[in-house]
Amino acid sequence: AQKITQTQPGMFVQEKEAVTLDCTYDTSDQSYGLFWYKQPSSGEMIFLIYQGSYDEQNATEGRYSLNFQKARKSANLVISASQLGDSAMYFCAMRRDTGRRALTFGSGTRLQVQP
Amino acid sequence: DGGITQSPKYLFRKEGQNVTLSCEQNLNHDAMYWYRQDPGQGLRLIYYSQIVNDFQKGDIAEGYSVSREKKESFPLTVTSAQKNPTAFYLCASTLHGFNEKLFFGSGTQLSVL
Repeated sequence: AQKITQTQPGMFVQEKEAVTLDCTYDTSDQSYGLFWYKQPSSGEMIFLIYQGSYDEQNATEGRYSLNFQKARKSANLVISASQLGDSAMYFCAMRRDTGRRALTFGSGTRLQVQP
Repeated sequence: DGGITQSPKYLFRKEGQNVTLSCEQNLNHDAMYWYRQDPGQGLRLIYYSQIVNDFQKGDIAEGYSVSREKKESFPLTVTSAQKNPTAFYLCASTLHGFNEKLFFGSGTQLSVL
């Protein structure tokens, strides 16, 4: 069974600074995908970034980058130049490439950006 | 615009009552999912469907039922057997292939009267 662990229930960051949200995962699969989603207080889930297990380069999407360390089974999200609108819950998730392809989510990290 | 529509936004259930949450997508996606989210927690998979007329139990299927008679629709029924139904319910869909990121609806908050 897969498991996603996010050890930071809450994080604070100053506006314009960078922040790293931690995510570790446990799987015996060789092929899988890793995702990060943002959930504002409105409740919607917003896709941020994706990393395939065979991708050699770390994924980047604008101010978001994924620090993928396969041997350590970690997939940390880095947000550069934080903005007040980044305040939200952030979830790490994993999908197997065989069998059940549904996403398994971590418990989330609440990020608060301070002015 | 293409997307996923969940209704209602808020739903109240009386003891012993079954209620149905609606999820419709016009993205032509193959797979659809139902997740439950309790306050301050992550999402847990209730049911999923990879194709029409087929669905599979997720991690917390007890007390729930689904159907997938049309590609665009995946309703979730919360039965009276679900003793703790108060939660935020999210429907999602995806297209098989690269990445397969989930697209989510805006959710339904279910509360017990």
